[in-house]
Amino acid sequence: AQSVAQPEDQVNVAEGNPLTVKCTYSVSGNPYLFWYVQYPNRGLQFLLKYITGDNLVKGSYGFEAEFNKSQTSFHLKKPSALVSDSALYFCAVEVTGGGNKLTFGTGTQLKVEL
Amino acid sequence: GAVVSQHPSWVICKSGTSVKIECRSLDFQATTMFWYRQFPKQSLMLMATSNEGSKATYEQGVEKDKFLINHASLTLSTLTVTSAHPEDSSFYICSAEKGPGLTGNTIYFGEGSWLTVV
Repeated sequence: AQSVAQPEDQVNVAEGNPLTVKCTYSVSGNPYLFWYVQYPNRGLQFLLKYITGDNLVKGSYGFEAEFNKSQTSFHLKKPSALVSDSALYFCAVEVTGGGNKLTFGTGTQLKVEL
Repeated sequence: GAVVSQHPSWVICKSGTSVKIECRSLDFQATTMFWYRQFPKQSLMLMATSNEGSKATYEQGVEKDKFLINHASLTLSTLTVTSAHPEDSSFYICSAEKGPGLTGNTIYFGEGSWLTVV
């Protein structure tokens, strides 16, 4: 069975500093990997996804993520954090041939402070 | 990005009554939609996969007679919580699959619906 781990419940970073939100996955096939962001009382917004090709994926709002097959990781990054980036971030995995079902991590609360 | 709309955003119902939540893909057709449930400060739990024109596929442990899903058209799926009880109070989120695109299918989420059963 596929699974996703987000080891940090919360990440704090100062505005203007780089941020990283960690994600590792476990699948038996080739993974499709996703990052979504959720603001309070709202649905999820798609940030980016990795299907194949370049390991560095660029997404919305200046976010990017790096797929590392050997470490089975897909960490979310941004060079310079903004206070408005404060939200709940979910990593998700879909296994090819898995019927497009997403398995989500437990989420990481990002707090960007002035 | 694509737009998925959920209605209502907030609903309060009395225990024992039924409530319907709609999920619409506004600018694309979605043969597949998904319904999730999210408890406060927790991750999303997939409840069922809704396929247009056919019966929904429910995840293990989800009562299909309690959570009725109908996917009557390529742009609309509905979730009806029947005989609701306070423990059904939760945040329900739908998603719809758009594709294929240059990078395959992408799943877009609705804004979610808060259900409170009193």
